[in-house]
Amino acid sequence: DAMVIQNPRYQVTQFGKPVTLSCSQTLNHNVMYWYQQKSSQAPKLLFHYYDKDFNNEADTPDNFQSRRPNTSFCFLDIRSPGLGDAAMYLCATSRRGGDEQFFGPGTRLTVL
Amino acid sequence: DAKTTQPTSMDCAEGRAANLPCNHSTISGNEYVYWYRQIHSQGPQYIIHGLKNNETNEMASLIITEDRKSSTLILPHATLRDTAVYYCIVHPYSGAGSYQLTFGKGTKLSVIP
Repeated sequence: DAMVIQNPRYQVTQFGKPVTLSCSQTLNHNVMYWYQQKSSQAPKLLFHYYDKDFNNEADTPDNFQSRRPNTSFCFLDIRSPGLGDAAMYLCATSRRGGDEQFFGPGTRLTVL
Repeated sequence: DAKTTQPTSMDCAEGRAANLPCNHSTISGNEYVYWYRQIHSQGPQYIIHGLKNNETNEMASLIITEDRKSSTLILPHATLRDTAVYYCIVHPYSGAGSYQLTFGKGTKLSVIP
């Protein structure tokens, strides 16, 4: 089945130690998104790619970066994780803006 | 800020219809109403969307009032697997802002055996 895959499902890192989360899709969608969801809160969009065009939300901290080397893969890099970055990170895809978004299962990040 | 207002929580008996309301009184002419749900510890799942006509798919029905200021998501025969947080979101189908889903607090639906 076509799907959005996130690895790993659980990630533990140390304060200040860079970490990379990955997302892949078999849907061949043009748009890939990264959301952050903190405990008991709603998901919040960090940025998205339309093909290779990167679009950052205005309030996304500089500590968060992203790479999309090809259509299928997208990475979230957290350069210096703080305790406040502990959250579920959700990857999503859509054919284009406004279309339904398909979400992966998420990666739960713990910062020690 | 989210442009929608939803009840914080609702209960529904298993097998009965679940009717989830949403107010979006400031909706613009080019904005659609989308519904997603999030089962505990999973990613959100798209349910349905509409502009002004009522919509139905295999998961649910969406009823939008004529003035488009409110809508109701209907799960016709709720099961325990429908227990989730349901998010009503308004955003444009194309152009500026069409990429950003702004999630509000949603409604936590509990389906009771």
